[in-house]
Amino acid sequence: ELKVEQNPLFLSMQEGKNYTIYCNYSTTSDRLYWYRQDPGKSLESLFVLLSNGAVKQEGRLMASLDTKARLSTLHITAAVHDLSATYFCAGTVYNDMRFGAGTRLTVKP
Amino acid sequence: DGGITQSPKYLFRKEGQNVTLSCEQNLNHDAMYWYRQDPGQGLRLIYYSQIVNDFQKGDIAEGYSVSREKKESFPLTVTSAQKNPTAFYLCASTPMLGSPSSGNTIYFGEGSWLTVV
Repeated sequence: ELKVEQNPLFLSMQEGKNYTIYCNYSTTSDRLYWYRQDPGKSLESLFVLLSNGAVKQEGRLMASLDTKARLSTLHITAAVHDLSATYFCAGTVYNDMRFGAGTRLTVKP
Repeated sequence: DGGITQSPKYLFRKEGQNVTLSCEQNLNHDAMYWYRQDPGQGLRLIYYSQIVNDFQKGDIAEGYSVSREKKESFPLTVTSAQKNPTAFYLCASTPMLGSPSSGNTIYFGEGSWLTVV
């Protein structure tokens, strides 16, 4: 069974700073996803990573995947307040999709 | 427009009652999922289905039941055996791995809030 662990679980950072969220998974995952969730809302898809070495960027967020290390990272560059949300990673094995516990990000002025 | 529709958005359950949450998708996706999210917590898998008339238990299936009689529909019943059902429930769907559109994003519904009164 696939297990997904994220860290940190809570992250408070100042605007303009950089930081990385880590996502480790226990077994070979077919795909690795990153999502954003705002309070009381559903999940918004950010990235889908399909192969080793995959890197995707959208605005101030960049996601990467290292399948040998079973590690994905979500890097935040020059954080702004609008990025405050909870970020989840998820992996799939034969369509069995499991989520990490989430990282609650707060960006302060 | 294609997407996933969950209903109702808000639901109140009395002690001892069964309630059913609806999830319908018009994306022609094969795989569908139900997750439970408690306040401030992550998503836990309840059930998932890869094909009509077949489904698998997730981590917290006890007290829940599902059916998959049609490809587009995957309703979740919260039974009276689920002692603490108050939570946010999310339905999702995705193309089957290996299908021409595999690797595409997973679609989530807007969620259903269930409260025990």
